[in-house]
Amino acid sequence: QLVVTQSPSASASLGASVKLTCTLSSGHSSYAIAWHQQQPEKGPRYLMKVNSDGSHIKGDGVPDRFSGSSSGAERYLTISGLQSEDEADYYCQTWGTGTPFGGGTKLTVL
Amino acid sequence: EVQLVESGGGLVKPGGSLRLSCAASGFTFSSFELNWVRQAPGKGLEWVSSITSSSSLIYYADSVKGRFTISRDNAKNSLYLQMNSLRAEDTAVYYCTRDFAYWGQGTLVTVSS
Repeated sequence: QLVVTQSPSASASLGASVKLTCTLSSGHSSYAIAWHQQQPEKGPRYLMKVNSDGSHIKGDGVPDRFSGSSSGAERYLTISGLQSEDEADYYCQTWGTGTPFGGGTKLTVL
Repeated sequence: EVQLVESGGGLVKPGGSLRLSCAASGFTFSSFELNWVRQAPGKGLEWVSSITSSSSLIYYADSVKGRFTISRDNAKNSLYLQMNSLRAEDTAVYYCTRDFAYWGQGTLVTVSS
């Protein structure tokens, strides 16, 4: 069964970097995923698609400090130079049966 | 600029029906797969349904299969979601999205007596 798993929470200091992880279920390590950001009281915003080879395609207007990478069944979102507006929920999503979303990671900027 | 604008949400009693619409602009509507995704209060995102560009393939989450119907009108650049036999657990903000890369602002559906 295709499932994507995320840690429920993460935190990092203003100006620091943070790496969020999305893990694909066994047998699905070749799948691409997408990262979405949802700031408080707002709708989701597409950030990027991350392929199994680590290449990524960003959405319109996504700052350079957001980047994606990959290792095995894990897909990463790295945010550098954290700003207060980066405090948000981050969801990963893949394509397949059920088109599942991860449960989301709540990022707190300290 | 790609724009997706949902409408049709509101308060409905359990067992009732509602039809959501999504008006699209800024791209060739007939060329893209479209999706509905929902978010219950305080919860994460849940995929609801997808429809291919020509409506030839349609998919539903198990939680809505048999109750919801997705459709589109390529002449009107519009996507729809007909929701029947609504339950309290269908209460959510419903988003229209084009390949999950563009999202609307959402419309709130509340199912309550």
